Amino acid sequence: DTEVTQTPKHLVMGMTNKKSLKCEQHMGHRAMYWYKQKAKKPPELMFVYSYEKLSINESVPSRFSPECPNSSLLNLHLHALQPEDSALYLCASSQGWTATNEKLFFGSGTQLSVL
Amino acid sequence: DQQVKQNSPSLSVQEGRISILNCDYTNSMFDYFLWYKKYPAEGPTFLISISSIKDKNEDGRFTVFLNKSAKHLSLHIVPSQPGDSAVYFCAASQGGTSYGKLTFGQGTILTVHP
Repeated sequence: DTEVTQTPKHLVMGMTNKKSLKCEQHMGHRAMYWYKQKAKKPPELMFVYSYEKLSINESVPSRFSPECPNSSLLNLHLHALQPEDSALYLCASSQGWTATNEKLFFGSGTQLSVL
Repeated sequence: DQQVKQNSPSLSVQEGRISILNCDYTNSMFDYFLWYKKYPAEGPTFLISISSIKDKNEDGRFTVFLNKSAKHLSLHIVPSQPGDSAVYFCAASQGGTSYGKLTFGQGTILTVHP
């Protein structure tokens, strides 16, 4: 199994809603990531979890709240988002900090629209 | 400050010919480089990578070349196939506490015509 699975594939939410994005991998990877990609732009890193601990937060606003319940799961909790937060949210995983030259494997993403 | 640049927004190639996608970087701390392929509304798919201790890596139809002195890398696809049509992203990482943090270029849209 070399897949990173993200749900839902599409999400429309209002600015007062609370929603969650989910990500799962069963490759035994110990590092997991959230990236954000706006249209016609490259992906940009949001968060990195290593061994279920948050290791990098790229100064992301608090309306985005990541959670790593276990080594296979990664969630992104969304609250009070703005229309400019509409984007493709990508989850990725990699082997972990002990490996050199980390290859990231990406999920298909959640296309989020904030109205 | 764009640390990874792909200066060609698009490239059009005939089926069977060679596709060459280019990427330049400015951060000399980058030590690992990757190429990803992406279709619309999907996540990037890993293609091939190269460590800074090498100057060439080959995998089937895909070859990546690295010129450290010029801070330049390129992806060669030979022969090109219509199924190769996608957006190609160059990415770089620098290890240490930034392990796993990929910096992506803007992408190049490759179109392979039958």
